This record gives sequence, C-alpha cells and structure tokens, in this order.
Amino acid sequence: DVKVTQSSRYLVKRTGEKVFLECVQDMDHENMFWYRQDPGLGLRLIYFSYDVKMKEKGDIPEGYSVSREKKERFSLILESASTNQTSMYLCASRTQGAGETQYFGPGTRLLVL
Amino acid sequence: SQQGEEDPQALSIQEGENATMNCSYKTSINNLQWYRQNSGRGLVHLILIRSNEREKHSGRLRVTLDTSKKSSSLLITASRAADTASYFCATAAFDSWGKLQFGAGTQVVVTP
Repeated sequence: DVKVTQSSRYLVKRTGEKVFLECVQDMDHENMFWYRQDPGLGLRLIYFSYDVKMKEKGDIPEGYSVSREKKERFSLILESASTNQTSMYLCASRTQGAGETQYFGPGTRLLVL
Repeated sequence: SQQGEEDPQALSIQEGENATMNCSYKTSINNLQWYRQNSGRGLVHLILIRSNEREKHSGRLRVTLDTSKKSSSLLITASRAADTASYFCATAAFDSWGKLQFGAGTQVVVTP
C-alpha cells in the first residue's frame, strides 16, 4: 500500500514563527504536492514538485516556500506564520504519467495564534 | 483557482438510498477524478474517468462524464452509514504535470 505520512496531525504556532511541515512518501513517486484546505473553498494548491530539487508555484504560494532535497520528502515552510495561514494542510504524491491519481497524507491541522 | 463546483453542497439520506452529486467545471480536461474525505482525514481516491469516456463503474459507484456540458456526476447506490464523508471532484488538464483542480465538495450524511 502507498503510504504518505505527515510529521504532525495537529500543530499550534505563534504569529511570526517559522513553521516546517514535513511529508514523506514510500512509493518512489516523482511528483509531490502541498494543498491547503479551508471550509467552502476545497483544496487549493500551494506548491508542487515534479522531481527532486524541482518546484513550481501553485495557485496560492504567497507566504510559503518548499524544499525537496530527497525524492521521498517534500517540506512546506511558512517563513513567518500568520493567523490567515490557520488551515488544514494536505500533502499528496503521484507517479508521473497521464491520468495517475494522487495519494494523500492524513493532513496537518495548523493553528496560528 | 477553483475549477470544479459540486452540487449540492450537502446531502442527507438514509441507509439504502442512492446518493447523487454533480460536478461542473470550466475548461477542457484530460481526466476527472472523485475523492472521498472522512472527517478530519486525508483524501482517498475513488474513481477516475478520462475525457474520452462517458461512464465508469466501480463497485457501488457510478460516474458519468459529459464533456459537452462540462459536467460529471457521482452516484453511490445502496448507501451505508460508512459512506458518510465529503466527496470532491478534481479535474486534470492536459500537460498539467498531474496538477488537480478541486471543487469545494459535497458533504454526505447517511443515517442508519
């Protein structure tokens, strides 16, 4: 079974803190994604990576950065957390190729105070 | 940007009934996928339908796709309490590196 794990299920941080969210997949997938999910808005893509050290901005990259130094790990960084970044963060991975589905981690619920 | 829009936003049915939800999208797609999310969890892939397909089945799930109307429907037959979840449609454009555009979802509650 494909497994995508995220470092924390729940996280509470203070405004201005630097926050790291880690995602690890065990299926040798080339592509990895970070989404945030807010009520009524569905999932919105923050960043994605199509291979190691490669990254592309998604629809809402402002206030975020990412790192992909190893194929299995994709990190989301909030440089200076703000209250409007309180959200559910979901990581996903997929193997490259047309029509392939994405496999999601359990999510990290982040609260910024 | 949000590509898909699900309808209805919420659906409440009894066990044994069928649940139907619809998804409309705006631009040409390579494929359309449906995902399920149990409360507070990650998404689980249910079914994928390609742009040249019109209907697909998987167990109690039936998906249709009408590219001329840019719409899709998901039918869950003989629903069970365990089907209680949010359901999302997601579209993949051609040459999109597999990026998906998700709708806001339909929240389904199945009561025993």
